[in-house]
This record gives sequence, C-alpha cells and structure tokens, in this order.
Amino acid sequence: DTAVSQTPKYLVTQMGNDKSIKCEQNLGHDTMYWYKQDSKKFLKIMFSYNNKELIINETVPNRFSPKSPDKAHLNLHINSLELGDSAVYFCASSQDTWVQSPLHFGNGTRLTVT
Amino acid sequence: AQSVSQHNHHVILSEAASLELGCNYSYGGTVNLFWYVQYPGQHLQLLLKYFSGDPLVKGIKGFEAEFIKSKFSFNLRKPSVQWSDTAEYFCAVKKGGKLIFGQGTELSVKP
Repeated sequence: DTAVSQTPKYLVTQMGNDKSIKCEQNLGHDTMYWYKQDSKKFLKIMFSYNNKELIINETVPNRFSPKSPDKAHLNLHINSLELGDSAVYFCASSQDTWVQSPLHFGNGTRLTVT
Repeated sequence: AQSVSQHNHHVILSEAASLELGCNYSYGGTVNLFWYVQYPGQHLQLLLKYFSGDPLVKGIKGFEAEFIKSKFSFNLRKPSVQWSDTAEYFCAVKKGGKLIFGQGTELSVKP
C-alpha cells in the first residue's frame, strides 16, 4: 500500500491554466505538507496543515491555494500557471507537528508549464 | 540567515570507496537532524535521524552520521559504497514545525 500518494504523476499544461494536484495519506498522520523541488533539486516548504488547519504558509503566491477536506487529504490548486511554476511538487505527512516526527513523502508530481 | 548547507554538490566515487557527505547548519538551540535519500525518479526516503543522546547514529543501508555540536555539523558516512547508492542526498533540520533542507548532494557511484 502506498503511504502517501499523489496524482497525477506528470502534469503538462499551458501558461494561464488552472490545475490541481491531489494528495492522500493512509498513515493516520495529523500533519501534511507541500514542498516544491526546483530544477536544481532544492526543496522548499510551501504549506503545512495540521488536522485540516493551515499552520505554515511560506511566502507562496496566492495563486497557490491548498485545501484539506480532512486530515488524510491535502490538495493543491494553482491558478493562472506561470513558467516559473514548473517544478516537482512533493506532498508529505508526519505523525504530528512534534519536531521529532519524520516526514513521509509522496512520489512527487512533475509539473511542466509551457 | 539561518540555513542548512551541503558543500558537496556532486560526488563521484568508485564502488567500495568510503563516503562522507558534509552538512552544516546555522540554527541555535536544540536541533533535530535528518538525512534523506532520493533515488533517481523516486520520492525522498528517511535514511537516519538524530534527536539526542549518542551523537553517532546508524541508519538504513549501512549509513551512519555523526552530530558534532561544536561544529554545527551532521556529516553522513558509509564505509563502502555500492552502485545502488547512486542518488541525491539531503540533509535537513526540523525547526518550528518545518523541515528545512540543504541543497542536496548528488552521489554517483561508478561500478
């Protein structure tokens, strides 16, 4: 069973479009995250939710809107896509927000904006 | 600015060579440290973690890391690498609920 699953795996779209990436975890974790990995492999946190509540919102453009319908799901909607949004987006989860809880990552969604 | 630094961007080794990847952080106080590995085309997987106690921690696949508080370092080591260790390695610090990553080190192991 995949612990943290993201769909789609690949997403190719044109500038200006709106797209969504879905994430689900079956680990029973309370906390979920979105990370962006750029072309140089650098990973940066975007958002974190704990029990459906937003707890971390790094300086991400408001074109990006996360939604957590329940604690097992954290979706990412992106409006008016730009070329610079091309990256690999990783969803992750952890037991809780405790500093010692390791993150479990999904397989990533490679977004290409043309 | 506070950060996590991995000074080796790309390391190339032959099989059976010993590995040491550097990681330094600039956060004060108590730190929780992690090493993750990303095999080609795959997601990040936890290799090992340090919270407290013995500064030498052992992880999966024969990896270990040593926390040296005075040097703000958490270097990753493996005595003898294999071709299958070819991957991207990320050091990370967990602070304020966030896992903050270094830039990553690409390891290429030649058979």
